[in-house]
Amino acid sequence: EIVLTQSPDFQSVTPKETVTITCRASQGIATSLHWYQLKPGQSPKLLIKSASQSISGVPSRFSGSGSGTDFTLTINSLEAEDAATYYCHQSSSLPNTFGQGTKLEIK
Amino acid sequence: QITLKESGPTLVKPTQTLTLTCTFSGFSLTTTGECVAWIRQPPGRALEWLALIFWDNDRRYNPSLQRRLTVTKDTSKNQVVLTLTNMDPADTGTYYCAHRNDEFDFWGQGALVTVSS
Repeated sequence: EIVLTQSPDFQSVTPKETVTITCRASQGIATSLHWYQLKPGQSPKLLIKSASQSISGVPSRFSGSGSGTDFTLTINSLEAEDAATYYCHQSSSLPNTFGQGTKLEIK
Repeated sequence: QITLKESGPTLVKPTQTLTLTCTFSGFSLTTTGECVAWIRQPPGRALEWLALIFWDNDRRYNPSLQRRLTVTKDTSKNQVVLTLTNMDPADTGTYYCAHRNDEFDFWGQGALVTVSS
């Protein structure tokens, strides 16, 4: 099973800051890595697919990069609505796995 | 537009069997390549992948739950059914079905299931 480790677990940031969340895979997964946003009472929302591909309807301030074992999700010019927990997910092999999540608090 | 919605009991007793139904629209599980996933989130914990069912009826399960988990499809009703036997309080959480396109691009609203006597 591929383990995904996200960092940090929690981050408190102010609006307009830039945030970087990292996801490290226990073995190489090429670019089979996707990012989701989860807010309380809502279902997860796909933000980035295949490490760096943007998703229609997702604000352009969200971007992703990486390949192999190290990946990043960057959120530029944070807005209050970005308060959420962010998860990475690998689809390279079964069982699919998720990271433990990164909770983002907006001050 | 793809939509999915989970339905089923909100409360089950320990040792009982959970049956959840995912009713979807906007795609067909008779179409080559299509796939539906089940994912859950225990309270305060991370997302956990449970199972996949493909258009050709290939099914894949999380090894940690494989002995207790079954997923089936009814293509005439556009439904996928998850069955989880011998429920335990540790199985409490929100259960999601999602359309899988390698990534999970569309999700249901989730079904909160509590396991308690």
